[in-house]
Amino acid sequence: NAGVTQTPKFQVLKTGQSMTLQCAQDMNHNSMYWYRQDPGMGLRLIYYSASEGTTDKGEVPNGYNVSRLNKREFSLRLESAAPSQTSVYFCASSQPRQHEQYFGPGTRLTVT
Amino acid sequence: GENVEQHPSTLSVQEGDSAVIKCTYSDSASNYFPWYKQELGKRPQLIIDIRSNVGEKKDQRIAVTLNKTAKHFSLHITETQPEDSAVYFCAADDRGSTLGRLYFGRGTQLTVWP
Repeated sequence: NAGVTQTPKFQVLKTGQSMTLQCAQDMNHNSMYWYRQDPGMGLRLIYYSASEGTTDKGEVPNGYNVSRLNKREFSLRLESAAPSQTSVYFCASSQPRQHEQYFGPGTRLTVT
Repeated sequence: GENVEQHPSTLSVQEGDSAVIKCTYSDSASNYFPWYKQELGKRPQLIIDIRSNVGEKKDQRIAVTLNKTAKHFSLHITETQPEDSAVYFCAADDRGSTLGRLYFGRGTQLTVWP
């Protein structure tokens, strides 16, 4: 099992450009999450999805959109990137009632 | 929503000493409290967790204690080793929700000096 995978690993964007971060899991988990990690700020939840076809806002959703394409895949889109979105982005998944979240390797995004 | 506070933000100890990291939470309905370890450049990984019906849990050199009345929980690492150096995050679940959403503390950078 690959667990949780993310693409790309690194990305540099110019202000105003758009991009989509991809995440997939092969553990048949229902719940999936997108976090951003900034120095001294911990892991902040952007969006999450409790099941295929449903998504909910987390703590910091502004400037992002998500799509739960199917049970395996959960993508994060930046429509118009801003320097404030420079961060490391982690995708995670979990099974309801088991709570343990499994994280992907992360995407390091720089917006100039 | 839940608010999780974590202290200290940095912690330096000598190899062989103990390290303690403390977290408080605000929502008395939370009942799952995991700890994650993140090595430099790597993903966070679960190292130990505790549920509200248990006061203490141990796994070799690490232990977690929970005080539901005071709404705080702590991570204890004994006989620290250089490979324990990492960022540690505590978390609490969302009002006992079955969905699995977690609220994380801001992290503690632990450095173990040989």
